Amino acid sequence: TQLLEQSPQFLSIQEGENLTVYCNSSSVFSSLQWYRQEPGEGPVLLVTVVTGGEVKKLKRLTFQFGDARKDSSLHITAAQTGDTGLYLCAGPPRLDTDKLIFGTGTRLQVFP
Amino acid sequence: GAGVSQSPRYKVAKRGQDVALRCDPISGHVSLFWYQQALGQGPEFLTYFQNEAQLDKSGLPSDRFFAERPEGSVSTLKIQRTQQEDSAVYLCASSLPSGGIDEQFFGPGTRLTVL
Repeated sequence: TQLLEQSPQFLSIQEGENLTVYCNSSSVFSSLQWYRQEPGEGPVLLVTVVTGGEVKKLKRLTFQFGDARKDSSLHITAAQTGDTGLYLCAGPPRLDTDKLIFGTGTRLQVFP
Repeated sequence: GAGVSQSPRYKVAKRGQDVALRCDPISGHVSLFWYQQALGQGPEFLTYFQNEAQLDKSGLPSDRFFAERPEGSVSTLKIQRTQQEDSAVYLCASSLPSGGIDEQFFGPGTRLTVL
């Protein structure tokens, strides 16, 4: 069974700080996605990474896919209160399926 | 609105009752997914459809769980004889697909509480 482990599980920081969230697996993924989920809502896609070593930037968010495609990271620069939420990595367990395996989640709280 | 909608948003059931959760996907989306999310955890896959065909139901926890999408649009997830461990948020998502790596669009979920 493929698992996606995220760390840390919880993160509480002040506005302006930087942070990194990690997503690790013992299995290779063809692609990984990062979602953010706010209370009472469904997850919303932030980015998809598909190539080993790929780096994508979305404003203050930087996403990296590991060279071996077994891990990914999300770095937020100068966090804002609007970044508060549950961050989830997810990927398809096989090439022939559209279903997603989700990570264990990282709950981020940014205080003013 | 043009997003995925789910109803009801909240459901309280007594143990042993049957419940039905509805999902209206984005119009034209071919694929529809159901996930179960425990408090503070990531969603776990239950089942998915491509049009009306149920392609994978490997995540359904037991034979008390049943999903259908008879006309390839609206889907219903039914749970029979609910138990306390069924308490969770049930998320529905839809996607085109595009032939590449698809974005799944999620509804707000139905929070089920079994007493």
